[in-house]
Amino acid sequence: DQQVKQNSPSLSVQEGRISILNCDYTNSMFDYFLWYKKYPAEGPTFLISISSIKDKNEDGRFTVFLNKSAKHLSLHIVPSQPGDSAVYFCAASARNDFGNEKLTFGTGTRLTIIP
Amino acid sequence: NAGVTQTPKFQVLKTGQSMTLQCAQDMNHEYMSWYRQDPGMGLRLIHYSVGAGITDQGEVPNGYNVSRSTTEDFPLRLLSAAPSQTSVYFCASRSPRRYNSPLHFGNGTRLTVT
Repeated sequence: DQQVKQNSPSLSVQEGRISILNCDYTNSMFDYFLWYKKYPAEGPTFLISISSIKDKNEDGRFTVFLNKSAKHLSLHIVPSQPGDSAVYFCAASARNDFGNEKLTFGTGTRLTIIP
Repeated sequence: NAGVTQTPKFQVLKTGQSMTLQCAQDMNHEYMSWYRQDPGMGLRLIHYSVGAGITDQGEVPNGYNVSRSTTEDFPLRLLSAAPSQTSVYFCASRSPRRYNSPLHFGNGTRLTVT
């Protein structure tokens, strides 16, 4: 049962254009969402996050949008740069029965920026 | 600035062999965890620890053991390796003092079980 889904395994975008990566979730208990970026042969690195009490969070070229009613979030990168080529993981957090945060990851989207 | 260090980077095992994947962090993080990454499956939590002496199971704990004797180290043990454990393993840590503080990942161990 995949609670966090990234339905696009790959995405190609022209340099300078906007990249939009999508993520859907099913668990209404998720209250915090994060995006991680992963280059080959490296571990994922944190990119941007959003709390469920907000619908938008912006950090430079990166903006995350959250639509709670649709259980959908998206990551916008504008303008896209060649260094943005990587795999992007969406993750969602909820408290477990012991009060610890449990993070659930999506399957990832490979973004390729075409020069 | 070592962060999270994983060793080895690569390992090949035969079915039934045992081994320990090492993970160390120098950020004094209380929370540490192990994930495995498989094609089409994303990152799945194996085990985690919220502090020295405390461990708990994640989503896919079968076939793996962990212990946490110090804040810095969180080794992952495979007692009897199986081909289904062929994967890339990531160790991650964070400080739980700030709710939902991001995870810091190591660079992974690529394990092949033949």
